[in-house]
Amino acid sequence: ETGVTQTPRHLVMGMTNKKSLKCEQHLGHNAMYWYKQSAKKPLELMFVYNFKEQTENNSVPSRFSPECPNSSHLFLHLHTLQPEDSALYLCASSQSVGQGTYNSPLHFGNGTRLTVT
Amino acid sequence: DAKTTQPTSMDCAEGRAANLPCNHSTISGNEYVYWYRQIHSQGPQYISHGLKNNETNEMASLIITEDRKSSTLILPHATLRDTAVYYCIVRLGGNQFYFGTGTSLTVIP
Repeated sequence: ETGVTQTPRHLVMGMTNKKSLKCEQHLGHNAMYWYKQSAKKPLELMFVYNFKEQTENNSVPSRFSPECPNSSHLFLHLHTLQPEDSALYLCASSQSVGQGTYNSPLHFGNGTRLTVT
Repeated sequence: DAKTTQPTSMDCAEGRAANLPCNHSTISGNEYVYWYRQIHSQGPQYISHGLKNNETNEMASLIITEDRKSSTLILPHATLRDTAVYYCIVRLGGNQFYFGTGTSLTVIP
């Protein structure tokens, strides 16, 4: 049990489909993150939410649409994806830097393995 | 410039200590160093973090040099289950963390 739960664990979708990834954290954190991990590449930060407000969008294409309804839940809505979007999508949470917890580490879920056909 | 640099891969005999180095020569005075590991197809697992002092927990010891330009994560008695990619990361600022390519550690029976 990691404290950060992601569903589904695996997802196969066609390029015309619309799907959503879900992340939930039970750690009382205020910041949530989406990372993308492609094969043999470093983790790439996609989005950061701090107290439900988006604070970072790392030049992510609009076919990825995040949603953070509250500090415990984070979604990534997917539509018209490309095969090169196939990757492991990781959600993480932490205490927000702004709350004086400058050393708060990230806590990750186990990711959603996405395959776009 | 890379914020952290680590060897691409390392081997360690089972039962021996695994010493994983990391250079972070551009680290700022108030930035922490964090260590994670990732086993295939799982999310990165937090191991340790520190600012100046050495840190020890049930998983590993973190040794930070006095000038803070490098650190070493020590797994005192490596087991086969410690085979993973180990990441040394620093904050870029705010809520952004820099992940490099990490060190792939293989523990050999």
